[in-house]
Amino acid sequence: GIQVEQSPPDLILQEGANSTLRCNFSDSVNNLQWFHQNPWGQLINLFYIPSGTKQNGRLSATTVATERYSLLYISSSQTTDSGVYFCAVGRTGRRALTFGSGTRLQVQP
Amino acid sequence: EADIYQTPRYLVIGTGKKITLECSQTMGHDKMYWYQQDPGMELHLIHYSYGVNSTEKGDLSSESTVSRIRTEHFPLTLESARPSHTSQYLCASSDLRDSPLHFGNGTRLTVT
Repeated sequence: GIQVEQSPPDLILQEGANSTLRCNFSDSVNNLQWFHQNPWGQLINLFYIPSGTKQNGRLSATTVATERYSLLYISSSQTTDSGVYFCAVGRTGRRALTFGSGTRLQVQP
Repeated sequence: EADIYQTPRYLVIGTGKKITLECSQTMGHDKMYWYQQDPGMELHLIHYSYGVNSTEKGDLSSESTVSRIRTEHFPLTLESARPSHTSQYLCASSDLRDSPLHFGNGTRLTVT
């Protein structure tokens, strides 16, 4: 199956700092999504981004499918950005997404 | 906004009990999934379905079973709960075109 690696595994930021999270995958995909899991365990879909670049407020994501990686940018981080960020990839059809092991982000005031 | 609901939100039960975790979605999605996750750790797929009367086991071996009799409903059952089943169980859904995956709020299960 597809292997998904996320880096860094852990990240501590001061409020207001910027960060870049990376997701590498081992095979071609046409489905890639980023999620944020808050401290209460709720998973929120941030981006559905099989290719190209998208932006949503202080967050943006870029996927370069031909080079098998995706980046999630967080600008002007806030304490509410804390939690775990997961990348999930897959191919269209009757298959489930494969999740990475996540990046644990802590934003300190 | 995604409409996918899980009940109960928290459950504490004794060893040997039979339990059913409920998951329903109102979006008409064909695909539904169950993931198991220990706090802050990676998600493990335990079951998925791509339509009524179709279910498949996921990557992580599980003693639970699922059914998909109606499009909107995908319950998970443990016939005899054990402490090793203590975890968070997350239900998700998407359509066949792989639209964004939407998660419910999860059920935190503790087996004593």
